Amino acid sequence: GQQLNQSPQSMFIQEGEDVSMNCTSSSIFNTWLWYKQDPGEGPVLLIALYKAGELTSNGRLTAQFGITRKDSFLNISASIPSDVGIYFCAGRGYNNNDMRFGAGTRLTVKP
Amino acid sequence: EAQVTQNPRYLITVTGKKLTVTCSQNMNHEYMSWYRQDPGLGLRQIYYSMNVEVTDKGDVPEGYKVSRKEKRNFPLILESPSPNQTSLYFCASRTIGSTEQFFGPGTRLTVL
Repeated sequence: GQQLNQSPQSMFIQEGEDVSMNCTSSSIFNTWLWYKQDPGEGPVLLIALYKAGELTSNGRLTAQFGITRKDSFLNISASIPSDVGIYFCAGRGYNNNDMRFGAGTRLTVKP
Repeated sequence: EAQVTQNPRYLITVTGKKLTVTCSQNMNHEYMSWYRQDPGLGLRQIYYSMNVEVTDKGDVPEGYKVSRKEKRNFPLILESPSPNQTSLYFCASRTIGSTEQFFGPGTRLTVL
């Protein structure tokens, strides 16, 4: 099946710093999604992107749907301790069920 | 409160002892699915269901069974668990055509 390559695997940053992570795929997706998983909980949707080139913000988070439809990035500005968690990208193809997840980026924010 | 619930949250068992992890949602969602989460591999889909009595295999269905007799419930059955099924399991649901999946809190399973 389609594979998503998510990087970096982990990040250790200082509170207040900006963060950037990305996902690439060998195949085209028509929807890109970014989820956050807090410790001991299930993933929660942060941002959904539906059009190539789309740039969407949700508070301090900004995500973009790559123009080639094969990549997406997520930026977090001015990180705070509660940003700690695992961030997953996910791509959905044209099949209603066809969703693939990246391996996740584990973010640690030092106060 | 709209939610997906899973039980149990934690389970330690032995090889070969049948077990069931329950999943229930109260949002009247047609679509439900099960994932397993393993370090470095993200979430991989085990089985999914588009509606009552309609189930299909995901990417890693071997060693698992599911059933969908009611819209709200989607249990995951391990008939003969093995140590390679030690993992963190998530149930999720959504409406057909919607992007947003709602995930349960997870079940951490250890098979000795």
